[in-house]
Amino acid sequence: EIVMTQSPATLSVSPGERATLSCRASQSVSSNLAWYQQKPGQAPRLLIYGASTRATGIPARFSGSGSGTEFTLTISSLQSEDFAVYYCQQYNNWPLSFGPGTKVDIK
Amino acid sequence: QVQLQESGPGLVKPSQTLSLTCTVSGGSISSGGYYWSWIRQHPGKGLEWIGYIYYSGSTYYNPSLKSLVTISVDTSKNQFSLKLSSVTAADTAVYYCATLGVVAATPSAFDIWGQGTMVTVSS
Repeated sequence: EIVMTQSPATLSVSPGERATLSCRASQSVSSNLAWYQQKPGQAPRLLIYGASTRATGIPARFSGSGSGTEFTLTISSLQSEDFAVYYCQQYNNWPLSFGPGTKVDIK
Repeated sequence: QVQLQESGPGLVKPSQTLSLTCTVSGGSISSGGYYWSWIRQHPGKGLEWIGYIYYSGSTYYNPSLKSLVTISVDTSKNQFSLKLSSVTAADTAVYYCATLGVVAATPSAFDIWGQGTMVTVSS
């Protein structure tokens, strides 16, 4: 099983600032990586797939990069609605696996 | 636009079988293009993929749960279901159904999620 790790566990950011979240895979997943946003009491929402392609309706301030084992999600200018938990997930190998999440909270 | 809705008991006794159903609306479960999946989230924790079923009935389960899980599909009702046997308190979680995109048998991301249903295992 591919183990996904994320850092940091918590990221404190002021509104309007840039947030950079990291995700690492225990072995190469090529570009078969997705990012999700989850707010309290809600289901996760797909943000990015294919490591860098925004899902339908996702604002341009969200961008993804990386391939192989190292990936990054960048939120260019944090809005109030962006404070949430973010998960990465690989779909290159079965079983599919998620990272433990990064919580982005208000500084 | 496909929408998903989970349903089932919110309380299950230890050693019994957890049974949940996901009803698909806005599209046909038989149309292909998706692996119909179950995912769970333990309270305050991360996400765990349980398994999927294709409309043809083919399945794949997470090896960590494989011996306890059965996912089935009812195309006439546009539903798919999860059964998890011999549950313990460790199976207390929010259970989500979700669509996993598939092209040429290659999976993509989970693009549509149900709202989730909380299941507590307790006597």
